[in-house]
Formats: sequence, structure tokens, C-alpha cells
Amino acid sequence: ETGVTQSPTHLIKTRGQQVTLRCSSQSGHNTVSWYQQALGQGPQFIFQYYREEENGRGNFPPRFSGLQFPNYSSELNVNALELDDSALYLCASSSSTLEQFFGPGTRLTVL
Amino acid sequence: SQQGEEDPQALSIQEGENATMNCSYKTSINNLQWYRQNSGRGLVHLILIRSNEREKHSGRLRVTLDTSKKSSSLLITASRAADTASYFCATYANDYKLSFGAGTTVTVRA
Repeated sequence: ETGVTQSPTHLIKTRGQQVTLRCSSQSGHNTVSWYQQALGQGPQFIFQYYREEENGRGNFPPRFSGLQFPNYSSELNVNALELDDSALYLCASSSSTLEQFFGPGTRLTVL
Repeated sequence: SQQGEEDPQALSIQEGENATMNCSYKTSINNLQWYRQNSGRGLVHLILIRSNEREKHSGRLRVTLDTSKKSSSLLITASRAADTASYFCATYANDYKLSFGAGTTVTVRA
């Protein structure tokens, strides 16, 4: 067990809706990264937060946004959901060791 | 786009046999990591090898890195049913972005 938790476990939304996914990082970790993993693919980097600031972003549109809170927990928000947003969303926390500790993921289905 | 590509895409072996999978990547890296994922859930970090290292061991795992060929291999010795999972290589090219390949699905038959 890594200590990284994510909620909810599963989520079903319809096209055009908005969704918020949550992540609690492992104790002592100040960096949270979010990834999208489509079925049969590897995780794709969405963005990273370090001490409440966005620290890098992958090739995702602005309707994917995030927050990191003072306790280093984080949220991923996706607006105007599209069918292709259906995926497993993973968050990972890290400190300075470069090894990332992943949560169990949130499976989002967009109908 | 994916930085790394694993080969083969899928592998089926008998319990007790060794499993070898390869990863190729495109750009210069600081380090390369291997992760395991069971049944579409969270990833578990297996091993990290830095760009100045050529081989690393951890239990039944052996990882090699050839930066001149931009490739790495993961060997699992004496496989067990519990090793059934998807395995991903991931590279760090800068300080924040971990780039994953598409993975190798390993099935260990009893």
C-alpha cells in the first residue's frame, strides 16, 4: 500500500458534464502528478503540482485543470466531458526521490 | 505520444520460467523506471535505473540499460502466478514528466 488514495473509485457521467476527481498524497510528499490511462494504453501525463503551483503540463486541453491544497492533496477537474475522456485517471505523489507512488485510480466512464 | 515502446505487447509463460521484456525510447533520459499494474489498477514502482548505470537487480528482477541503443530490458526470473500483470517502462527526460510506454501484458500459467 502506497498511502495514496483517490476518490471516487468509479464514476459515470454524460457528455458535456463536469467532473472533479480527488487525490490524497502520501505523507511527506509535496508533489502530485495526474495521468490519464485509456484502455490498453500506458498512462499519459496530464500535469504536475508542486507546492500548490502547476509545475508542468502534458498535451491536454485547458478544460483539464487542477488544484493542489496546502496539505498537498489535489483535485483534477474536467469540464465539457467528451466520450474520449473515458479512462482510468491516476494520481501519483512524490518527494525528491523521483520514484512516484500511485493511487488505485478513478475509472471515469462518459456516456 | 508515448516516449517508450515495450516489446512484446503480450507474453505468456509457464510458472517457473523467466520472462523478458524490452523497452525502447526516443530521447535522452535521466533515468528509466519499470512499473507493474494489476488488473487496470494503480501502478507499483519496481525499479529505477539511472542513465549512468548498466544493470540493476532487485529480488527476482534484473534490469539492463543501454543508453547508446536507447533501450532497456526487464527480466523476471522464476515467474509466479502473482507476476501476472502489465509491465510498463517509464522515462524521465526532465524534472517533472514521466513518460510511459504502452506496456507488456504478462500471463503466467500454473
